[in-house]
Amino acid sequence: AQSVAQPEDQVNVAEGNPLTVKCTYSVSGNPYLFWYVQYPNRGLQFLLKYITGDNLVKGSYGFEAEFNKSQTSFHLKKPSALVSDSALYFCAVRDITGGYNKLIFGAGTRLAVHP
Amino acid sequence: DADVTQTPRNRITKTGKRIMLECSQTKGHDRMYWYRQDPGLGLRLIYYSFDVKDINKGEISDGYSVSRQAQAKFSLSLESAIPNQTALYFCATSDSRGRNTEAFFGQGTRLTVV
Repeated sequence: AQSVAQPEDQVNVAEGNPLTVKCTYSVSGNPYLFWYVQYPNRGLQFLLKYITGDNLVKGSYGFEAEFNKSQTSFHLKKPSALVSDSALYFCAVRDITGGYNKLIFGAGTRLAVHP
Repeated sequence: DADVTQTPRNRITKTGKRIMLECSQTKGHDRMYWYRQDPGLGLRLIYYSFDVKDINKGEISDGYSVSRQAQAKFSLSLESAIPNQTALYFCATSDSRGRNTEAFFGQGTRLTVV
């Protein structure tokens, strides 16, 4: 079965420092990988995705993610964190089991950016 | 995303009551999903529908039922609510055409069963 793991429940970083939120995946076949962000009292917002092509994917709000096939990872990164980046981040993988296309989510990582 | 609307946004109900959560979308997408979010567990898929005549159980469908009334409407029912169904529920949509396989989410319904 397809799955993703987010090994950190929470990541703390100082404003202005680089941030990384980790995600590893387990899939059969080529992975379709996604990052979503959830701000308080809001739904999930799409940040970026990897389908194929360049291993470094750029997305919304200055975020990017690096796909690493050998390490089965898809870590979310940002060069300089903002306090407003504080939110809950979810990694997801596409699952096409049974011919149906659906997303399988990780448990989420809470990012706290301190002034 | 305002294109995916969930009602109600918050609901408190008693154990044993029937409750329906509604979702409507203006994105023109053919695929719709219901997820629940629990702390530390992420989002888990309850049901999904790829068109009006297609309904499929997800990872945690027990205790839930759905109805796809139209392409734009997908409702989730709890026939007899129990306290462990207290959670944040999300409706999502996606488009089967092209390669834009990401899903778009509503703002969620916070359900409390007492």
